[in-house]
Amino acid sequence: GAGVSQSPRYKVAKRGQDVALRCDPISGHVSLFWYQQALGQGPEFLTYFQNEAQLDKSGLPSDRFFAERPEGSVSTLKIQRTQQEDSAVYLCASSLRRTGGEKLFFGSGTQLSVL
Amino acid sequence: DQQVKQNSPSLSVQEGRISILNCDYTNSMFDYFLWYKKYPAEGPTFLISISSIKDKNEDGRFTVFLNKSAKHLSLHIVPSQPGDSAVYFCAASSAKLVFGQGTRLTINP
Repeated sequence: GAGVSQSPRYKVAKRGQDVALRCDPISGHVSLFWYQQALGQGPEFLTYFQNEAQLDKSGLPSDRFFAERPEGSVSTLKIQRTQQEDSAVYLCASSLRRTGGEKLFFGSGTQLSVL
Repeated sequence: DQQVKQNSPSLSVQEGRISILNCDYTNSMFDYFLWYKKYPAEGPTFLISISSIKDKNEDGRFTVFLNKSAKHLSLHIVPSQPGDSAVYFCAASSAKLVFGQGTRLTINP
């Protein structure tokens, strides 16, 4: 596709449930990022991949959060045993180059609500 | 520790006038600064950027100014149009992008 695609668009989970969020980056983009955006806040960095290598996961809030990009294309963000504080919009972004500081192209996000 | 701050949560400007959005940062290692625009239910979209070696970058109605000594940047939109109504995020990078909290800009007809 032409842009970054994320699915599902909305996800409602019961507390304690596991969820998986998918990101399809722009074809050929080397770098892929996950951000978490709480209501009324700016996006906060979670993790970064260069191809299939996860180079930075310093933003993951706990060991319940896990991300993978096994073939250097599609990425999945998994949250185990969801808690109410996990409710947020999860944004995926990709970029053509190998660094993390340049222009990113964002998907529309997955809005996660944990009840 | 908020490394990038946008102290104005909202701004209202009359159509045709200038909109000025401000951003402050604390990390002197940041070498690249960007502004993103976000409409409801969409992801942020890139608007304009500036390298730390410059103090001004212009693209049509949008100009970004960087004052490194003050660790301050601003986005000027002139003339403002109703379609400019959105949330604007300032972002700064060294190895990864760090975002501010956003400013909601409303352009009144």
